[in-house]
This record gives sequence, structure tokens and C-alpha cells, in this order.
Amino acid sequence: NAGVTQTPKFQVLKTGQSMTLQCAQDMNHNSMYWYRQDPGMGLRLIYYSASEGTTDKGEVPNGYNVSRLNKREFSLRLESAAPSQTSVYFCASERREGRKEQYFGPGTRLTVT
Amino acid sequence: AQSVTQLDSQVPVFEEAPVELRCNYSSSVSVYLFWYVQYPNQGLQLLLKYLSGSTLVESINGFEAEFNKSQTSFHLRKPSVHISDTAEYFCAVNDFGNEKLTFGTGTRLTIIP
Repeated sequence: NAGVTQTPKFQVLKTGQSMTLQCAQDMNHNSMYWYRQDPGMGLRLIYYSASEGTTDKGEVPNGYNVSRLNKREFSLRLESAAPSQTSVYFCASERREGRKEQYFGPGTRLTVT
Repeated sequence: AQSVTQLDSQVPVFEEAPVELRCNYSSSVSVYLFWYVQYPNQGLQLLLKYLSGSTLVESINGFEAEFNKSQTSFHLRKPSVHISDTAEYFCAVNDFGNEKLTFGTGTRLTIIP
């Protein structure tokens, strides 16, 4: 039982390049989330998916797209990276009923130059 | 709309001294409240949560938090801290029926030997 996994762990991009951050969970959770963490700003929600086949914008969706590929996987895509997207990105998952606890992946540290 | 305020961005404490990390929330409805901990270079882990029932909740490593509805607070306390408690602590709120968590900006707890 690996929990929530994210790839890659580190990435450096040049401005304008694109990339996809991958996230997978093996806990059979319905909901999945993408956050970004910046110093002094806590975690801000980029997009979330309440169930397979649905996605919704969070607080800071501009410049990102997501795909809920199946129940396990939720990817985040940067189509044209900008220096303002330099951040640490976390994926999380949660059961919709009951325990109300989000489980986080180890994060992806992205630098855009 | 739900929101969380963590007024202290950094809290230095001597080893074996008590600590309180403050969290205040704003919501127009009933809430769930959480404290998450982030150790260096890791993702977030749930420390404790208030869903209903007793207003005093405890974690397995000696932290406790008390839900105070009249003061809209959920402060985190520990009577005696250890070096291993060095981490960043995030308070989070979830309105009933809302699929999203809102995080505070975090408090970095530094333990002084």
C-alpha cells in the first residue's frame, strides 16, 4: 500500500515548456486534489476532482489543466510554464464519506527559469 | 466562505517547554477542523481533527487542540516539546458539505536545544 505517489520529485523547466505532473493513489479514494505550496502562502488549491470523470477549479487554476484519468490517477499539466509557477506541488486524495482526512503525496519541486 | 488565520509564522520554543500554535477560522456554517504537520522535505500528514463530539481532541504524539466555537478558534498545544517536533504546522477548515479544505499559511515550529 503506497498511499499517494507523485512523479517526478524534481523538475526544472524553461519558460514556455510544457510538462505533466503525475499522481496516483491506491486507497480507492473518490476525491483527489492538486495544491501548490509557496513560502508564506500555505497551500492553495489548484484543481480538484470529487469523483472519476469530474474536475473543478480551485483557488488558483490559471495556467494549469487537469485530467482524472481513472479513479486512481489525477494529472496536472502546465501547457506553457512561467516563472510564477515555480513552486512545490502536492497531490492529495480523500474518501468522500466518513473520515474526512486528506492523504498527501511527497510533492514535486518545480523550478521554471 | 471558509477561511483560516494563523497569526504566527514562526514560533521558537526551548526543548521541554510548552507551546501553543494559534488558529482562528471564519465560516458561516458548521465546520470540520484539522491540524496537519509537515516535516522537512515531506508532504503533509494529519495530526488531529475535530469533526463532532468532544471539543478537545488529541494526537498520538502528545499534541491536543480545543474547538472553541464562541471564539472561532482551534489552537494547538503541547505541554513539553521535543526536537522531533520541529516542523511546519498547518491549520485547515472544511465547511459542512464543502468538498474543499482551506489551509492557513502555516506556523514553523523551531525547537531550541
